[in-house]
Amino acid sequence: EAEVAQSPRYKITEKSQAVAFWCDPISGHATLYWYRQILGQGPELLVQFQDESVVDDSQLPKDRFSAERLKGVDSTLKIQPAELGDSAMYLCASSLWGGQSVNEQFFGPGTRLTVL
Amino acid sequence: QQQVKQSPQSLIVQKGGISIINCAYENTAFDYFPWYQQFPGKGPALLIAIRPDVSEKKEGRFTISFNKSAKQFSLHIMDSQPGDSATYFCAASIDQAGTALIFGKGTTLSVSS
Repeated sequence: EAEVAQSPRYKITEKSQAVAFWCDPISGHATLYWYRQILGQGPELLVQFQDESVVDDSQLPKDRFSAERLKGVDSTLKIQPAELGDSAMYLCASSLWGGQSVNEQFFGPGTRLTVL
Repeated sequence: QQQVKQSPQSLIVQKGGISIINCAYENTAFDYFPWYQQFPGKGPALLIAIRPDVSEKKEGRFTISFNKSAKQFSLHIMDSQPGDSATYFCAASIDQAGTALIFGKGTTLSVSS
């Protein structure tokens, strides 16, 4: 069964350091999402790609966060510098473009970030 | 307008009982309502979803009930099992490709044996 892959699964870093997360969506899924899930809350969208283009990054703190999907396949989310409030689970999801279940999103296992 | 409100925050049910989780939405443009199940340390997994052209959808022990006029939908888990113990999230979006999901805050379900 095809799955969304993410790495690393866990990351501990110190405040002001740089961190990067990687996501490989399900093959053929043109739409890729990065969500942030704070402990005890539901996921919230950070950035969304359609192929290699950013569709929505209105909730991405652009002073410290950046995201790219250069070849329209895998994606990297970067935080520089990390702050204590960035501690959360970072989830990647992907979905097909078109078809019957047009907004069915499949999530990866997430990267748990702890900022000390 | 974009919020999805979920209740209760936590739920304890006896094995074999019925678990009921409720959600309410505000944006009348929403027309896709999935439920996700999340185990500790894992990503959310799609459980079941409904579109407003039907009032109920059943898959195995899981049923979504949908009330368009009240802008509410709920998840019923029949014959709840200890393996159902997880956090459940409702979500909503416009049913078109590439639309971000708006999630509720989640319900932690514990099924006691």
